[in-house]
Amino acid sequence: DADVTQTPRNRITKTGKRIMLECSQTKGHDRMYWYRQDPGLGLRLIYYSFDVKDINKGEISDGYSVSRQAQAKFSLSLESAIPNQTALYFCATSGLDRNEQYFGPGTRLTVT
Amino acid sequence: RKEVEQDPGPFNVPEGATVAFNCTYSNSASQSFFWYRQDCRKEPKLLMSVYSSGNEDGRFTAQLNRASQYISLLIRDSKLSDSATYLCVVNMDGSNTGKLIFGQGTTLQVKP
Repeated sequence: DADVTQTPRNRITKTGKRIMLECSQTKGHDRMYWYRQDPGLGLRLIYYSFDVKDINKGEISDGYSVSRQAQAKFSLSLESAIPNQTALYFCATSGLDRNEQYFGPGTRLTVT
Repeated sequence: RKEVEQDPGPFNVPEGATVAFNCTYSNSASQSFFWYRQDCRKEPKLLMSVYSSGNEDGRFTAQLNRASQYISLLIRDSKLSDSATYLCVVNMDGSNTGKLIFGQGTTLQVKP
């Protein structure tokens, strides 16, 4: 089984809808991250969490919110989706003493 | 200047060729460096960490030049399966914050 899972894997939604992307991990890592990837722009950090009580904004947090429900779960919400939030979204985890991150399989989100 | 810069390529090489990618980073305080591999529409996967003394893993060799602030990845005896995008990744500062900056990636296409 995968160490980092994301649901849904693909989602098409309409402008203005609220949508939640979920991430779960079995690696026992404290740190979790949400990124989006757009063609030609690389991966950009949306939010990150170093433990259940620690949530931090990343480079592009506007229009997004997160919830760290447990050490193993970190969800990303789009309160009112807009077309320019169409992207590939990745969740990642890392341990406390190392910087390398491990990624989930991604969620392909399309906002029409 | 971008925090992490890579030549996007594509690099088109025949099987068996040796190919090298370079990456430059802007923050001299950065301490952690990685190469990730990303296949089309898949998640990035850690290829190797980059250490000050340079390191090798089979056909792959990574080098770090702190004075010039660049990182390199050398792939020897290229295989068709090496075709992918290679991401240069650097931590944002000198501390163990876990926050990474991803380059846009260099695309490699190995042809028969």
